[in-house]
Amino acid sequence: DAGVIQSPRHEVTEMGQEVTLRCKPISGHDYLFWYRQTMMRGLELLIYFNNNVPIDDSGMPEDRFSAKMPNASFSTLKIQPSEPRDSAVYFCASSFTLGEKLFFGSGTQLSVL
Amino acid sequence: GENVEQHPSTLSVQEGDSAVIKCTYSDSASNYFPWYKQELGKRPQLIIDIRSNVGEKKDQRIAVTLNKTAKHFSLHITETQPEDSAVYFCAAKRRNNDMRFGAGTRLTVKP
Repeated sequence: DAGVIQSPRHEVTEMGQEVTLRCKPISGHDYLFWYRQTMMRGLELLIYFNNNVPIDDSGMPEDRFSAKMPNASFSTLKIQPSEPRDSAVYFCASSFTLGEKLFFGSGTQLSVL
Repeated sequence: GENVEQHPSTLSVQEGDSAVIKCTYSDSASNYFPWYKQELGKRPQLIIDIRSNVGEKKDQRIAVTLNKTAKHFSLHITETQPEDSAVYFCAAKRRNNDMRFGAGTRLTVKP
């Protein structure tokens, strides 16, 4: 398995634009997590899915953020409209057991100008 | 929810010395405590983990200790090398719940 695959690696966009981040978890992992990493706030859990179903989205900052997992091999995190304060590295991670032995993707470095 | 405090935020040691990073957690129901290493510009990677039924675990130069009574756990790195330089994150997980990370410790090993 190639591990957790995220795209794009880097995204630069202007304020107000829609941003879509993509993730392919490791095959067989039932849990998928979206984290945001900033210097100020560290690693923050945004949302996680179990068997494609969103379980806890209490970490999603506001209504501008949405996440979907249409099937076991694909998830998206969308920000619409984007704002400069959304600039961060967004990591997707997957695991076989809830919250244990997470495998992280390479992350998406998002810059909103 | 779970609250994880991590100290120190930065740590500088000389090559060959030991490094210790400490974390405390708030929820006594937490039962799983992993440590992740993140090199500059890379993804976090699991380096060692421990469950609440174990007091200590070792893997070569890395060890983790857990004190359930005091609700704290520590990462110990012996004979540090420059390639150990990275940000280390502790985390704690409650049964049937997701995991929360500490703020991270930036370790610098000087050659």
